Amino acid sequence: SQQGEEDPQALSIQEGENATMNCSYKTSINNLQWYRQNSGRGLVHLILIRSNEREKHSGRLRVTLDTSKKSSSLLITASRAADTASYFCASNAGGTSYGKLTFGQGTILTVHP
Amino acid sequence: DTGVSQDPRHKITKRGQNVTFRCDPISEHNRLYWYRQTLGQGPEFLTYFQNEAQLEKSRLLSDRFSAERPKGSFSTLEIQRTEQGDSAMYLCASSDERTGYEQYFGPGTRLTVT
Repeated sequence: SQQGEEDPQALSIQEGENATMNCSYKTSINNLQWYRQNSGRGLVHLILIRSNEREKHSGRLRVTLDTSKKSSSLLITASRAADTASYFCASNAGGTSYGKLTFGQGTILTVHP
Repeated sequence: DTGVSQDPRHKITKRGQNVTFRCDPISEHNRLYWYRQTLGQGPEFLTYFQNEAQLEKSRLLSDRFSAERPKGSFSTLEIQRTEQGDSAMYLCASSDERTGYEQYFGPGTRLTVT
């Protein structure tokens, strides 16, 4: 498989707690993106971090990127029941693969009210 | 709603039949992508169009699969002689190269081959 790995595969927390999920990828990248998927809204783009960035914030989301380790993490702070979903990282290599996203296997997050 | 739309949402077919799916991207987006997702896995890239030109195809896209994007608007994905292994969710996404790399996904077409 060309897909990266995500860790953990499943995460169960209480509302208000923070959730951290990790992602590793295999090739050099132009950017790395995180997506959320649930049955109600399909795949939704959350945040993008470029290869020359180390950290990025968007609302309750914080993403870090370590290109030397080919890894990224997504932190969701003060989680809500509505955050229950599958979360995927997706790497974009740029160049001649400009459009292609390579997804990880995903982390299933369950937030209990 | 002006998001990405896909039709049909569900398709059940018998092995050996041909099926065709349609994707309508966000109107101003010039890039269109097809992915396939099986249960418990992340989406896997199939093919990519910029306007009407098909620029990249995955090895997953066997000769039974063909995709078109006439006039650079909607796209179709056809699977000939379907096999049970083709059962999956087929996702379409679009993006605008002028505004960024993020892709906007449609709701998907769930294919079941019996």
